[in-house]
Amino acid sequence: DGGITQSPKYLFRKEGQNVTLSCEQNLNHDAMYWYRQDPGQGLRLIYYSQIVNDFQKGDIAEGYSVSREKKESFPLTVTSAQKNPTAFYLCASIPGGRGANVLTFGAGSRLTVL
Amino acid sequence: QQQVKQSPQSLIVQKGGISIINCAYENTAFDYFPWYQQFPGKGPALLIAIRPDVSEKKEGRFTISFNKSAKQFSLHIMDSQPGDSATYFCAASMRSSGNTPLVFGKGTRLSVIA
Repeated sequence: DGGITQSPKYLFRKEGQNVTLSCEQNLNHDAMYWYRQDPGQGLRLIYYSQIVNDFQKGDIAEGYSVSREKKESFPLTVTSAQKNPTAFYLCASIPGGRGANVLTFGAGSRLTVL
Repeated sequence: QQQVKQSPQSLIVQKGGISIINCAYENTAFDYFPWYQQFPGKGPALLIAIRPDVSEKKEGRFTISFNKSAKQFSLHIMDSQPGDSATYFCAASMRSSGNTPLVFGKGTRLSVIA
């Protein structure tokens, strides 16, 4: 089945550690996105990538980094510089080109900083 | 600056009643307005979407009403059921300008009680 796989589903991190969240899609979508979800805050864009080897900062990129070496993969690293990393992280993708409509989401990864 | 304002933050509706969620946007260049539904612990999924050249779109019990002059759109859920209990997000983007990232509202938590 085509879709987006995020792993791990749950992750615990000690303060000061970097962690990487995986996002893999087999939909052949060109564009991929990372959103952060906090209660009452909606979905806030962290980074997005429209093509391989290129990505842009979203609204809350500070303390995060990404790479897009393959079309299928868009990992997100939460660095120690992110002051409040505990959140639900959602990866999404969409077909390329103008007029593409449906943003498909993964099931999310919940990160908790101890 | 919040580009898409969503209200109410939470909503309780009796089974069989009508659920109404409202959104307002600021950017007149937006030309695509989807609604996403999210169940606890899952990623959001597209529910219904509208473009500004129509004033209403209906899919089953779900209807989007769109008022371009007021820069507002709303989701109506007719005959609300307990299974509709979820968080709903409105969003907006500029599809005609390429895949600009969706801007989301802060979400509405809907509870349908029997």
